[in-house]
Amino acid sequence: NAGVTQTPKFRVLKTGQSMTLLCAQDMNHEYMYWYRQDPGMGLRLIHYSVGEGTTAKGEVPDGYNVSRLKKQNFLLGLESAAPSQTSVYFCASSYPRTGNTEAFFGQGTRLTVV
Amino acid sequence: DQQVKQNSPSLSVQEGRISILNCDYTNSMFDYFLWYKKYPAEGPTFLISISSIKDKNEDGRFTVFLNKSAKHLSLHIVPSQPGDSAVYFCAASDGEGSQGNLIFGKGTKLSVKP
Repeated sequence: NAGVTQTPKFRVLKTGQSMTLLCAQDMNHEYMYWYRQDPGMGLRLIHYSVGEGTTAKGEVPDGYNVSRLKKQNFLLGLESAAPSQTSVYFCASSYPRTGNTEAFFGQGTRLTVV
Repeated sequence: DQQVKQNSPSLSVQEGRISILNCDYTNSMFDYFLWYKKYPAEGPTFLISISSIKDKNEDGRFTVFLNKSAKHLSLHIVPSQPGDSAVYFCAASDGEGSQGNLIFGKGTKLSVKP
């Protein structure tokens, strides 16, 4: 059982380039999330989705776009990468809230923008 | 304005002793709290959780205590083992108000010395 899989694991971009990070989950979870982790900042929510075809902004959405065309996939796009977007990106998924919100995380994508 | 605070960036403990990691929150609407553990180059993994209707939850060597009046929770690890060395994140949720989204603290790096 793969759980939550992120691709790629590492990427170096030049300022202004675009890219898409892919997240796939095989647990039939409704909710999916994209977080970024920066030193001393913990995990901050970028965008999330409560179901196929829906997306919503999180705490730090600027500079990112997302799509949830299929229930199992959640894509994070950077249209014009900036050095401030250098970070480790984590995707997560969870069941709808019925009393708990345990989320399962992928292994992360380390992105460097030069 | 940080809603979930982990004021100790690091903690060092001797193997076999107790590790106590602390977390404070400001939002009285939070009703579910979780602890995640993160090793380097891996995604966070769920450790233990507690609902606001309880004041204690225990799972093996891990116990979480919740003091709602003080808006404080703590994670106790007894006995501590070298394999427990990791970054621990406290997270909170207010359920429907945030669509189940988790708000994370900045993390505490635990080092357990043999």
